[in-house]
Amino acid sequence: EDQVTQSPEALRLQEGESSSLNCSYTVSGLRGLFWYRQDPGKGPEFLFTLYSAGEEKEKERLKATLTKKESFLHITAPKPEDSATYLCAVRNRDDKIIFGKGTRLHILP
Amino acid sequence: EAQVTQNPRYLITVTGKKLTVTCSQNMNHEYMSWYRQDPGLGLRQIYYSMNVEVTDKGDVPEGYKVSRKEKRNFPLILESPSPNQTSLYFCASSGLAGGPNTGELFFGEGSRLTVL
Repeated sequence: EDQVTQSPEALRLQEGESSSLNCSYTVSGLRGLFWYRQDPGKGPEFLFTLYSAGEEKEKERLKATLTKKESFLHITAPKPEDSATYLCAVRNRDDKIIFGKGTRLHILP
Repeated sequence: EAQVTQNPRYLITVTGKKLTVTCSQNMNHEYMSWYRQDPGLGLRQIYYSMNVEVTDKGDVPEGYKVSRKEKRNFPLILESPSPNQTSLYFCASSGLAGGPNTGELFFGEGSRLTVL
C-alpha cells in the first residue's frame, strides 16, 4: 500500500534557527513527490516537485531534496512568516496523489 | 485570476439530506480531485478525474458520488450524509492529466461541512 509519513508532527523553532522536515514514502512507481504549504483556514499551496533521487529545488529559505526513500524540506534561517503546516505528497503510477499528515511548523520571533 | 472555486464554503445539514458541493476551475485543467481533511488523518483523496466523463475512486469514496460532465466542473455529491462525513473538503485541479505536472495541484479555499 502506498504510504507517506512525515516527521516530526510539530516543530517549534526560534527565528533564524535552521532545521529540516522529513517525508518518507513507499509508493508503487513514483511519478513525482510534492511539497505544499498550508496556512490555517486555507487550501494547500504548491511549493515544489521532485522526480528523481538526487534532485533538489530551492525557493527563498526552503530547499527540498529527494532520495529513493525520503525527501527533506530544509528551512534556512526561518522567519515567523514561514510558520505553517508543510505537506508532502506522492503521485503513484495510477496518478493517485497521496498526502502525508503534515508537519506543523511554528517559528518564534 | 486563476482559481478553483468551491461552494458552499460552510454548510450545516442534517443526516440524510442530499447535498452537493460544487467545484469549478478556470484554468482549463484536465485533472480534478476531491479531498477531505480531518484532524490527525490529514488529506485523504475521495475521487479524482483525469478528464471529462472519466472518474476514479480515491482512498475514501464510500458515501460520495462525483460527476465530470464538463471540463471546468467537478461536483461532489453526498446522497445521504451522515455525521462521519463532517469534515473540511477541498477541491483541487492540475494541468494535463497524466502529464509531468499532475500533482502540482491548485486547491480551492475549502468547504466546511457539518452533518448533525
